[in-house]
Amino acid sequence: SQQGEEDPQALSIQEGENATMNCSYKTSINNLQWYRQNSGRGLVHLILIRSNEREKHSGRLRVTLDTSKKSSSLLITASRAADTASYFCATDALDNFNKFYFGSGTKLNVKP
Amino acid sequence: SAVISQKPSRDICQRGTSLTIQCQVDSQVTMMFWYRQQPGQSLTLIATANQGSEATYESGFVIDKFPISRPNLTFSTLTVSNMSPEDSSIYLCSAGLLNYGYTFGSGTRLTVV
Repeated sequence: SQQGEEDPQALSIQEGENATMNCSYKTSINNLQWYRQNSGRGLVHLILIRSNEREKHSGRLRVTLDTSKKSSSLLITASRAADTASYFCATDALDNFNKFYFGSGTKLNVKP
Repeated sequence: SAVISQKPSRDICQRGTSLTIQCQVDSQVTMMFWYRQQPGQSLTLIATANQGSEATYESGFVIDKFPISRPNLTFSTLTVSNMSPEDSSIYLCSAGLLNYGYTFGSGTRLTVV
């Protein structure tokens, strides 16, 4: 990928369990975004977190950012079968906060 | 957040031909981008579509192959020129205001035969 890597590459869990995905990036950033992509569909924006923020919540989603480790995590609590999708982080560059580069993505499978 | 209409949603094209993909945003946005997503892969940024000036291309992408237009703050086109099977991919446009996150069009699935 142009900027970051995500792990795990694939994750399979049972409905009701929590899912955690991690994103590591290479260079300092201003902002980091998380997206979801259902199979064959467009991307849905989930959360944007700025470099001066450490944690953000949106419904069942919790995103953390550790700029010292150049990493972020996305936690989905009480997962549902409908959460089955690929999840991507996207980061900008310190000298250009407008354009974003995507990580390699995590494929999440939530079994009913 | 912005809503983006992208078309065509899919196309099958002969090698050597060109295809133009259109993106229409429902509000004026400062930033528009074009990405490529090969099957099973992540998204690769092709270029930033600048209103009133030439697009800014990422390493590995050139204007002759991927000419981009952005005549106003709500519309952009990407042309895939002189296509080969290696150009088969999903092409996506993205737009928005940074404070609200960028949204994506539904993508154009291109198959070159």
